[in-house]
Amino acid sequence: GQQVMQIPQYQHVQEGEDFTTYCNSSTTLSNIQWYKQRPGGHPVFLIQLVKSGEVKKQKRLTFQFGEAKKNSSLHITATQTTDVGTYFCAGQDFKTIFGAGTRLFVKA
Amino acid sequence: EAQVTQNPRYLITVTGKKLTVTCSQNMNHEYMSWYRQDPGLGLRQIYYSMNVEVTDKGDVPEGYKVSRKEKRNFPLILESPSPNQTSLYFCASSYTVAGEQYFGPGTRLTVT
Repeated sequence: GQQVMQIPQYQHVQEGEDFTTYCNSSTTLSNIQWYKQRPGGHPVFLIQLVKSGEVKKQKRLTFQFGEAKKNSSLHITATQTTDVGTYFCAGQDFKTIFGAGTRLFVKA
Repeated sequence: EAQVTQNPRYLITVTGKKLTVTCSQNMNHEYMSWYRQDPGLGLRQIYYSMNVEVTDKGDVPEGYKVSRKEKRNFPLILESPSPNQTSLYFCASSYTVAGEQYFGPGTRLTVT
């Protein structure tokens, strides 16, 4: 069945460093979503990418969808302590398949 | 306020004792899902519902039941809970199957 792999599982960064998490699907995706879950909280929607090669930005966050619609990435520029949490990608058809998430630790 | 509510938030129970976790949304969403979250495994979909009286299995449906008699409610039923169902459960809803999902606060279930 469809699988969505996400790496790395954990990332420790110094505040101000950049951070990237990657998602790879075993099949072509109709779209991909990204969510953030703060420690002790619930996942919160960040963005959805639909088009091949799409790039979207939200302040310091840059999201990309691969040309083949099988991979995606989230890049955070100059991390802040408020970026701490777990970032999930989710690929969709009728079901939603989440990646295992990347937990980001930011040291001040 | 637009929200997804779940009850209870925390539950400790014993093996075999039937339980229901309720989920309700006030956004008139058609699509609702249940997920379980386990360390290192991310969020895995248990069941989903495209609309009233329309439900289907996700990736890990064994040991769970759901119903969708009303648009706003999507309860998760564990007929005979077992320790391997100890997990953090999230309900989510969205306007469409491909739409932004709104998650409830989560229910932490422990089965002893």
